[in-house]
Amino acid sequence: GQNIDQPTEMTATEGAIVQINCTYQTSGFNGLFWYQQHAGEAPTFLSYNVLDGLEEKGRFSSFLSRSKGYSYLLLKELQMKDSASYLCAVSDSNYQLIWGAGTKLIIKP
Amino acid sequence: ETGVTQTPRHLVMGMTNKKSLKCEQHLGHNAMYWYKQSAKKPLELMFVYSLEERVENNSVPSRFSPECPNSSHLFLHLHTLQPEDSALYLCASSQDVEAASNQPQHFGDGTRLSIL
Repeated sequence: GQNIDQPTEMTATEGAIVQINCTYQTSGFNGLFWYQQHAGEAPTFLSYNVLDGLEEKGRFSSFLSRSKGYSYLLLKELQMKDSASYLCAVSDSNYQLIWGAGTKLIIKP
Repeated sequence: ETGVTQTPRHLVMGMTNKKSLKCEQHLGHNAMYWYKQSAKKPLELMFVYSLEERVENNSVPSRFSPECPNSSHLFLHLHTLQPEDSALYLCASSQDVEAASNQPQHFGDGTRLSIL
């Protein structure tokens, strides 16, 4: 079967760095997405990786290793507004999106 | 503002009621989606429409009935729901179904549905 694993919940301190991991087992791979979802709001797109390596966008970076079936989202200089759920999703060989259950990130002052 | 608007934001209904959820997108996209989001579970894809034609129906119970009158509007008609149907229902759109593999989907804020 197809599976996406990410931690259920993480806690970090304002101003620090946090890494949210995502591992996947899917039938084929056509890219990996990260979305941010604040409570009661729409998921919003953060990043897309299809090639191995690190993609940086301001305070957020996303890394992909296709051989290991692994990605992470790196958040730097954490702010209170970064408290949210972070969703990992993989596009499989049929171009279907397979979603993880999300990681709830709690930022403490 | 994501360009995708869902109404109502909250809905409480009894198991014998009939109600409808509405989604409208202002992005000129050709594909629209209904998802169910339950606490601590992955997003479940329910229905996919491409240019008003249903292209995906992931074994969803018949008590959920979608309707797509045009590429900008999507409805989810509800009747005789069960308590386990309580969840957040999200609508999303993308340029087209194929583009969703490498282009982001745009989501609405969802309808929080509670079945009494």
